[in-house]
Amino acid sequence: LAKTTQPISMDSYEGQEVNITCSHNNIATNDYITWYQQFPSQGPRFIIQGYKTKVTNEVASLFIPADRKSSTLSLPRVSLSDTAVYYCLVKNNTGGFKTIFGAGTRLFVKA
Amino acid sequence: DAEITQSPRHKITETGRQVTLACHQTWNHNNMFWYRQDLGHGLRLIHYSYGVQDTNKGEVSDGYSVSRSNTEDLPLTLESAASSQTSVYFCASSHRREAAEAFFGQGTRLTVV
Repeated sequence: LAKTTQPISMDSYEGQEVNITCSHNNIATNDYITWYQQFPSQGPRFIIQGYKTKVTNEVASLFIPADRKSSTLSLPRVSLSDTAVYYCLVKNNTGGFKTIFGAGTRLFVKA
Repeated sequence: DAEITQSPRHKITETGRQVTLACHQTWNHNNMFWYRQDLGHGLRLIHYSYGVQDTNKGEVSDGYSVSRSNTEDLPLTLESAASSQTSVYFCASSHRREAAEAFFGQGTRLTVV
């Protein structure tokens, strides 16, 4: 299972765009990059998944370069309610959720 | 609405006791997973199941067991609780192995004294 590396914490202000980068140097051909969000006292919640290039949904965008050794989660115009821990996962889609959640990135959004 | 529920939400038990944490999902998902979450470790996989009568060990399975007698439930049993098992436990389910999204319960905070 590919290991991921992400910053431990980040601070931002309301209304700013936040970019969280994840490194996954050992990603395999069958692996997808998936991001989850976790609020205090809650279980993680799926945000977005991608394989290459760019994926966008109503919550975030995910940018993946051609070599796929890193990815960047972009949160547009964050609000206080986006304060959470964000996990980058490398997930083989034939193995279910037999995957590794690292320590994640703790994002703190300030007013 | 379909959901995944864990019970109890909080539990305090004594060292050496057997404890069972319940997980129930109403999505009819085949895949179910148990994780524990400790400060500085993210979530670590304890056991998982791909269907009825199927169970598999995760990375931190020692001292834990699961059974899958129906699609909806995957109870997690601590055979003899130890202080090192004080943690927050999360159950999750997904429809298919290739599914991008897993649905997590609210967690059970277990304290072993």
